[in-house]
Amino acid sequence: AQSVTQLGSHVSVSEGALVLLRCNYSSSVPPYLFWYVQYPNQGLQLLLKYTSAATLVKGINGFEAEFKKSETSFHLTKPSAHMSDAAEYFCAVSGTPVSSNTGKLIFGQGTTLQVKP
Amino acid sequence: ETGVTQTPRHLVMGMTNKKSLKCEQHLGHNAMYWYKQSAKKPLELMFVYNFKEQTENNSVPSRFSPECPNSSHLFLHLHTLQPEDSALYLCASSRGESGPSYEQYFGPGTRLTVT
Repeated sequence: AQSVTQLGSHVSVSEGALVLLRCNYSSSVPPYLFWYVQYPNQGLQLLLKYTSAATLVKGINGFEAEFKKSETSFHLTKPSAHMSDAAEYFCAVSGTPVSSNTGKLIFGQGTTLQVKP
Repeated sequence: ETGVTQTPRHLVMGMTNKKSLKCEQHLGHNAMYWYKQSAKKPLELMFVYNFKEQTENNSVPSRFSPECPNSSHLFLHLHTLQPEDSALYLCASSRGESGPSYEQYFGPGTRLTVT
């Protein structure tokens, strides 16, 4: 069974500072991993995904994440935070597909990112 | 319209009412999902439809009844709800085929308040 743990339900950074949101996963099969962002009163938007190609994945809005199998981690980073990055971020994992499990994602509890001026 | 749309965006209903939530995807996908998002709780997957067939029901109470008439439309019929059912209900879609692309695309959600 797959699971996701996001360390820290709330992260606060200053504008221009490094953003680091932590995600650890558990999976019995090679995982597919995702980061989503949710702005207030909106649905979830895909930031980036890892599907066993390059371990460093670049996404939208300057975010990137690195897959580290030895650490079972997929942390999300951005070199310089912007006020518009304030939102909730979700890490998710999906196992290798089987016909009855196509597309099912397991989400972490979410991390709220606050950006201070 | 593009992406995934949901209507209504906000809904207030009494415990004895019957209402329906609608989701439509314009992405040519074959799988659709209902999620419940409550404050301070992780996303809860409720139902999965793949090529119009229900493939998952995560022990959802029968007062929630999904319907998927075709791969583009998904409904959630609501009746005799409880106050604890108040939440943001999110619809999502994905390709629904074997392959590397498992990302889901989400609608904006329906904010449901049960009084």
